[in-house]
Amino acid sequence: AQKITQTQPGMFVQEKEAVTLDCTYDTSDPSYGLFWYKQPSSGEMIFLIYQGSYDQQNATEGRYSLNFQKARKSANLVISASQLGDSAMYFCAMWRSGNMLTFGGGTRLMVKP
Amino acid sequence: EADIYQTPRYLVIGTGKKITLECSQTMGHDKMYWYQQDPGMELHLIHYSYGVNSTEKGDLSSESTVSRIRTEHFPLTLESARPSHTSQYLCASRPDRGYEQYFGPGTRLTVT
Repeated sequence: AQKITQTQPGMFVQEKEAVTLDCTYDTSDPSYGLFWYKQPSSGEMIFLIYQGSYDQQNATEGRYSLNFQKARKSANLVISASQLGDSAMYFCAMWRSGNMLTFGGGTRLMVKP
Repeated sequence: EADIYQTPRYLVIGTGKKITLECSQTMGHDKMYWYQQDPGMELHLIHYSYGVNSTEKGDLSSESTVSRIRTEHFPLTLESARPSHTSQYLCASRPDRGYEQYFGPGTRLTVT
């Protein structure tokens, strides 16, 4: 069975600084994919970044990058130059067979001015 | 930008009422999903569909039911609402190619 663990329930970061949100996963499937979603207080889920298990390079999307360490089964999200609008819940998720997602418990990020 | 819609956005209703949460998408996606999320908690899959006339239960047991008569619509129904059904319900869809799921804005349901 797949499992996603996010060990940081809440984090603070100073505006303009970088922050790393941790995500570890457990799966026996050789093929899988990892996602990060942002959920502001309004409730919608916003896709940020995706990493496939066979991708050779770490994914990047603007200020977001995914630090993928396959041997350690970790897929940490790095946000560079934090902005006040980055304050939100962040969820790590894993694609599994059957085209479904398993979500972690989330990390609440708070950006301080 | 994803074209997936949910109505209503907010619903407060009394115990015992029948409710239907609407979800529609204009992207022609075959695969659609319903998630339940308590405040500040993770999302749990409660229903999914691979296309018209296909519905399956997800990981979390739910008293709700779904139907998929048309590709673009995937409504969720609670025959008799209870306070334990108070939660946020998120609908999502994804294309056949690619893995990203596109989410609707969610419905926040409160049963009094």
